Amino acid sequence: GAVVSQHPSWVICKSGTSVKIECRSLDFQATTMFWYRQFPKQSLMLMATSNEGSKATYEQGVEKDKFLINHASLTLSTLTVTSAHPEDSSFYICSASVPGQGIEKLFFGSGTQLSVL
Amino acid sequence: DAKTTQPTSMDCAEGRAANLPCNHSTISGNEYVYWYRQIHSQGPQYIIHGLKNNETNEMASLIITEDRKSSTLILPHATLRDTAVYYCIVTRSSNTGKLIFGQGTTLQVKP
Repeated sequence: GAVVSQHPSWVICKSGTSVKIECRSLDFQATTMFWYRQFPKQSLMLMATSNEGSKATYEQGVEKDKFLINHASLTLSTLTVTSAHPEDSSFYICSASVPGQGIEKLFFGSGTQLSVL
Repeated sequence: DAKTTQPTSMDCAEGRAANLPCNHSTISGNEYVYWYRQIHSQGPQYIIHGLKNNETNEMASLIITEDRKSSTLILPHATLRDTAVYYCIVTRSSNTGKLIFGQGTTLQVKP
């Protein structure tokens, strides 16, 4: 079946540095990918929709200058957390759906645990 | 997308059926009921979906009431590996992946 790969699985960084998270669709081309954030014991919160070849669409309250999204190819979207601070520590998850299919063909990455010291 | 309401948590004995309810009283005629689950520290996984008829696949069964205002996900023989948070999401079939997750139900399968 289709697979979405997310890397790294976990990352620790110092406050003020930037961190890049990659999301790849391994056996299908994804024109649209989605990024979520999840705090401990909370549900997933949609951050943004990543569109191949165009600007990402951010949800209300999500700082686009802090969470930079790039979707330069049909199989790769990246999320860069710029000038990370401890409050950005969270579990970040991406997803992508097989084009032309419903969300029953929506696949999620395994997530990235970000810890900012 | 219609709002959904699920119990916060449920327990189930291993080997028994787990029945997870979901209320979606404001569901529209063109909206489907989808179920996903998230095992701890992993990304969510699709389980099953339906419009108005009951559905069954290798993972679970979905029972939707006749008025479509509620549904029940059934795991026929729960195992310890089914311990997870289960999310009921109501959305149109044209949705390509922009999902709004509620709090879900934490299912604890006990030996």
